[in-house]
Amino acid sequence: RKEVEQDPGPFNVPEGATVAFNCTYSNSASQSFFWYRQDCRKEPKLLMSVYSSGNEDGRFTAQLNRASQYISLLIRDSKLSDSATYLCVVNDDSGNTPLVFGKGTRLSVIA
Amino acid sequence: DGGITQSPKYLFRKEGQNVTLSCEQNLNHDAMYWYRQDPGQGLRLIYYSQIVNDFQKGDIAEGYSVSREKKESFPLTVTSAQKNPTAFYLCASSVSRVGANRVHGYEQYFGPGTRLTVT
Repeated sequence: RKEVEQDPGPFNVPEGATVAFNCTYSNSASQSFFWYRQDCRKEPKLLMSVYSSGNEDGRFTAQLNRASQYISLLIRDSKLSDSATYLCVVNDDSGNTPLVFGKGTRLSVIA
Repeated sequence: DGGITQSPKYLFRKEGQNVTLSCEQNLNHDAMYWYRQDPGQGLRLIYYSQIVNDFQKGDIAEGYSVSREKKESFPLTVTSAQKNPTAFYLCASSVSRVGANRVHGYEQYFGPGTRLTVT
């Protein structure tokens, strides 16, 4: 099964800081990429899809580098409410198979 | 109000008993999935179904069984053969790629999960 690798963290940053996470994937045929957010003891929730040209949603920016097979998530002006685990998710394009989830990177934003 | 529901939120069972976890969605999604998550660990795929009356084993199917008799429902049974059943179980659904023109995967939406404790 194809892999998705993330630095588990934790990343401890002060409020207002900019923080970036990277994620590498092994399947060069992957075509769909997502970032999910999971709060403690809750279900994962879709944060944003990642498009080839890169995309931004408010304080969040996602980038895709196909040549190096990694995606990134940048969070600007961190808020306390951003504290969560961020999951990198990639489709395993070997047919009609489910998405592959990374184990997540834990972020703690400190006042 | 569309979404995915799982019940119950917490479930306690004695070792040796089978237990069935409920998952229902009204998003009109064809595909449904079951994952388990252990403390500090990532999601591991148990079973998935792309269409009614069909399902496939995931990475850790041993000791589990599923059925998909209706589009809206995908119950998971944790059998007594599952060695370490205590975990957080998550159900998800998505649009299916089967028969679709779009070639890449679709995002999944999760239910709130069921915490199963077996003693």
